[in-house]
Parts: sequence; structure tokens; C-alpha cells
Amino acid sequence: QSALTQPASVSGSPGQSITISCTGSSSDVGGYNYVSWYRQHPDKAPQLVIYDVTKRPSGISDRFSGSKSGNTASLTISGLQAEDEADYYCSSYTDNYSYVFGTGTKVTVL
Amino acid sequence: EVQLVQSGAEVKKSGESLKISCQGSGYSFTTYWIGWVRQLPGKGLEWMGIIYPDDSDVRYSPSFQGQVTISADESISTAYLQWGSLKASDTAMYYCARMAGTTMIDYWGQGTLVTVSS
Repeated sequence: QSALTQPASVSGSPGQSITISCTGSSSDVGGYNYVSWYRQHPDKAPQLVIYDVTKRPSGISDRFSGSKSGNTASLTISGLQAEDEADYYCSSYTDNYSYVFGTGTKVTVL
Repeated sequence: EVQLVQSGAEVKKSGESLKISCQGSGYSFTTYWIGWVRQLPGKGLEWMGIIYPDDSDVRYSPSFQGQVTISADESISTAYLQWGSLKASDTAMYYCARMAGTTMIDYWGQGTLVTVSS
């Protein structure tokens, strides 16, 4: 069960939009609408920012949005802010209560 | 308020056994899956497995099957992760997490750092 593929790093200036991709296969990302995204600040536990591909939990800014096309899911952060600087991980349900995380993306605010 | 409180940091030697815990509060512990996630130093997140405390149904990720044991004691709302014989490569931060609807993690524990020396 290989990790989902994410770019190692993405950067942007304050106010810009960035998009992080998460590529899997038809057995995970492409096969289920159960992709979630987590933000992790240094030395902190991860935090859910998107679930079921497009849904935002309460308390998460509407600057965060998710989408999916085929075997690739994406997280877009619009109006980039300094506090968005963190590591981001996607995750997908696979089969038989099995799950897989992405490789992780470091977001840098320039 | 939903909380998952994990046991404290551990320093062990190779070959020793270890059991770490995760106590849930503020919700019905038996009706949500609990997952365990490993994070090696400076690396990404890895699913280890999940348990449904109501009937102790456990599903292991293939990479961790046979390497660890996941269990739960519903009477004290606590889930466990244990090793029979630690290796230096088990040095990592371990998180427990509550799963909502089996598709995503909505609450995380604070993490337990396990350090194994050879």
C-alpha cells in the first residue's frame, strides 16, 4: 500500500492562492469520495481542514477548499496567510477499513 | 469537550516491550473507531490500524500487521498500542485519533514520543 503522492513543497506570497495535489489510484482516491486533508504545524498534532473531498469542518476558514478529478485530489488555499505555513497531508480510504496518507507537502508563505 | 489524552513519553531499549495508551472523554467512546498513526522523526504520517472499542474489531495496515497489537478497554475508555519487542526503528511519535464516520479523523491525541535505543 503505497503512500499517495504529493509535491514536497509549495510556496506563495500572502494573498495568493496555492493548490496542493494528491495522486493515488482507482483503489483509493479514485475509488471513493473519502479524501481528507490535515494541516500540521511544527511539533503539533495534525488538524483536519477538509473531509469527504470537499467538506470543511466547523471552525475552518472558507479559504480552504477541496476537489477531486479521477485519481487526483486537490487542496486549494486562497488568500494565503502567514498562519497557513505548515505541512499538509492528504488521506484516503482504500478498501476494508484501510487508509493511506499522502507523502506530505510543506507550504511556505514567502 | 472531546479529548484524547495519551500517556507520556517513553525511553526504552531494543528488545523491551511497551504499551502506550489513549484515553477518550467527552463522547461515547465505544461508538467511534480509534486509529493509531506513526510519524517517524522528520517524516510523514502513516496509518497503523484502527479499532472499534465496542467489539474490539481491529484492522491493521499491511505494513504494521504482526508488528504491533492494538486493543481497547471500554470500561475505562482507553485504547492501547503495544509492542512485544521494540526496535530502534520504532523510534517515532505515535498519535491516537478519533475517526468520524470511518472516513476521517476529527480529533487527535497530543502524541506519545517513543525513543528506542540500541
